[in-house]
Amino acid sequence: QKEVEQNSGPLSVPEGAIASLNCTYSDRGSQSFFWYRQYSGKSPELIMFIYSNGDKEDGRFTAQLNKASQYVSLLIRDSQPSDSATYLCAVNKNYGQNFVFGPGTRLSVLP
Amino acid sequence: DVKVTQSSRYLVKRTGEKVFLECVQDMDHENMFWYRQDPGLGLRLIYFSYDVKMKEKGDIPEGYSVSREKKERFSLILESASTNQTSMYLCASGREGGYTFGSGTRLTVV
Repeated sequence: QKEVEQNSGPLSVPEGAIASLNCTYSDRGSQSFFWYRQYSGKSPELIMFIYSNGDKEDGRFTAQLNKASQYVSLLIRDSQPSDSATYLCAVNKNYGQNFVFGPGTRLSVLP
Repeated sequence: DVKVTQSSRYLVKRTGEKVFLECVQDMDHENMFWYRQDPGLGLRLIYFSYDVKMKEKGDIPEGYSVSREKKERFSLILESASTNQTSMYLCASGREGGYTFGSGTRLTVV
């Protein structure tokens, strides 16, 4: 089992819809969870982080964490074509500051 | 804003050359990381460092070494470049709350 798994996509949603991106992880000791966005040809940029079970909202973005199910998700409300990118889930390893990245989900928001 | 600067955007090197990739951050972060990113394989950690003169192997350290003589600078060294090291190399720095990545160096080994 890979340490961090994501559907590779592409995930296509119409403009204005909610995009739901999912991530599962294998290390039960993981404490920190991050979502990065990467535009084609660019480096990843941090969108959100979450440490506690439940939801965390920041503007149009909501991160959801369920440690019992080892599952973290990112919801993007009112999706815009500018949200079209690859979204990377990152999870820390063994309580450390070292992170493992998932393979990323490519999101396409159709105008 | 945290700035992570990688010295070169594009590099072309010959097989067998010694290659230095430089990374500098301006936010006094203890933690610095080197990743490579390849299509279909995602981001893979090569080496990381929690402090000056300290280094830890990541998931794919073979063929690479690192140097951290000053807190702000973390160098990745390809001792003898090979064609399978052609990749995008990304440096990152940060602490709890996430990393900031540099703009990347696309290295081609011919």
